[in-house]
Amino acid sequence: ETGVTQTPRHLVMGMTNKKSLKCEQHLGHNAMYWYKQSAKKPLELMFVYNFKEQTENNSVPSRFSPECPNSSHLFLHLHTLQPEDSALYLCASSQDRTEANYGYTFGSGTRLTVV
Amino acid sequence: KQEVTQIPAALSVPEGENLVLNCSFTDSAIYNLQWFRQDPGKGLTSLLLIQSSQREQTSGRLNASLDKSSGRSTLYIAASQPGDSATYLCAVPGLFYNTDKLIFGTGTRLQVFP
Repeated sequence: ETGVTQTPRHLVMGMTNKKSLKCEQHLGHNAMYWYKQSAKKPLELMFVYNFKEQTENNSVPSRFSPECPNSSHLFLHLHTLQPEDSALYLCASSQDRTEANYGYTFGSGTRLTVV
Repeated sequence: KQEVTQIPAALSVPEGENLVLNCSFTDSAIYNLQWFRQDPGKGLTSLLLIQSSQREQTSGRLNASLDKSSGRSTLYIAASQPGDSATYLCAVPGLFYNTDKLIFGTGTRLQVFP
């Protein structure tokens, strides 16, 4: 484990379902991120939270809804997804969004399949 | 706009070889560069983080160098082992006010066979 824990590891959901992905870190980091990794594409940044405030929404469709109740937890709520949303969703954290010098820690990801 | 490129896209070598993986970035105004390893279907494991003021970082059999002026970084893997088989990604923070956006290359998929 890297210090960033994601659950579930695998998720299969229908297009009409509602589900949530969870990310947790106890590294004392203040910034948390959601990334999407689709087959044969570079990782894409989805959302950034810094001190619980959303500071970035990288033009993500509204069927993805993030929530950050505190600096240690980050959720991604999913509803009415499309098959093309099937991907590996990765959570990451860093000390602070402005402190790029400290690097990033990633979780193991949630493999999402939309059927 | 910062772009990151990695070559080769795939590499297959026998065990014991010394390897060099390449990473190029278009804008040299980076804060740092980070190398990650990703096993199939898994998350990213950070290998090395090189600050913009550093020339190289070492961890065990891994050595990463950074040449900002030429926009290049190399990851050197000594005495490769089958357990090194994975995809290796390099990433740099975005520019100016986008430093929280980590920009990734498409990776080098490495296979080391016994």
